[in-house]
Amino acid sequence: QSVLTQPPSASGTPGQRVTISCSGSSSNIGSHTVNWYQQFPATAPKLLIYSNDQRPSGVPDRFSGSKSGTSASLAISGLQSEDEADYYCAIWDDSLIRWVFGGGTKLTVL
Amino acid sequence: EVQLEQSAAEVKKPGESLTISCKASGYAFSYYWIGWVRRMPVKGLEWVGVIFPDDSTIRYSPSFQGQVTISVDKSINTAYLKWNSLKASDSGMYYCARRIGADFRRGGMDVWGQGTTVTVSS
Repeated sequence: QSVLTQPPSASGTPGQRVTISCSGSSSNIGSHTVNWYQQFPATAPKLLIYSNDQRPSGVPDRFSGSKSGTSASLAISGLQSEDEADYYCAIWDDSLIRWVFGGGTKLTVL
Repeated sequence: EVQLEQSAAEVKKPGESLTISCKASGYAFSYYWIGWVRRMPVKGLEWVGVIFPDDSTIRYSPSFQGQVTISVDKSINTAYLKWNSLKASDSGMYYCARRIGADFRRGGMDVWGQGTTVTVSS
C-alpha cells in the first residue's frame, strides 16, 4: 500500500463542495509541502496545487489545498462535470529518500 | 509555449536495452530539474528520479537505483531514461516532467510530457 493514504473514491453533485484527504507521517507531510495532481484517462497528470496551497497559473480558484500536521486536503468547490478525474497527492519522504504519491482518488460527479 | 515531447511507444523483449527521450522547448532547459515518473495500472504513480541539466546532478529513487540511467544532452535540450537489460516488470507508462524550484524535494512538476509506453514481453 501507499505511504500516503487517500480514499479510493469520492463523489458529489454539480455545485457541491468535495474534499479529498491525504494522510501521511512525520517523514513526509509532517516535514514537507504537499502537491496535488489531476489526471484524466490516457493523459499526463496536471499540477493542481503545489506547496500545500498554491495554484499554478490557469488553475481555477475552485481548487484549494491545505495541510495540518501529517494530513493534507484538496477541496473542490462548485463541482463541475469536467472535474471527474483521478486526484493524487505527492510529497518528498525523508525516510524513503524519494517522492511518494498517494494511491489516488477517483472523483465521480453524479 | 513550454512543452516536453516524449519519444514513441516501445515494445521490447526481456534482456534488451532501451532509451526513451524527452525533448524540452520554450524555456531555459538547463535551469529546471527534469524528473521521470512511472505509472503502472495497479501500483499507481512512482517517482523514478530527477536530473538537473546544467551540471547533470542526478538523484534516483532507491527503488530504481541501478535499474535505470538518467542523462541529458544540453545541446539539444533532451533528457533520457535508459535501461541496459529490460525486465517484464519495467513495463509501464513513463512520463518526464519539469520541476518547479531549485530544490528537487520541493515544488511541483508543472509541465509534463505526453508519456511513453514501454512494453516488455517475450
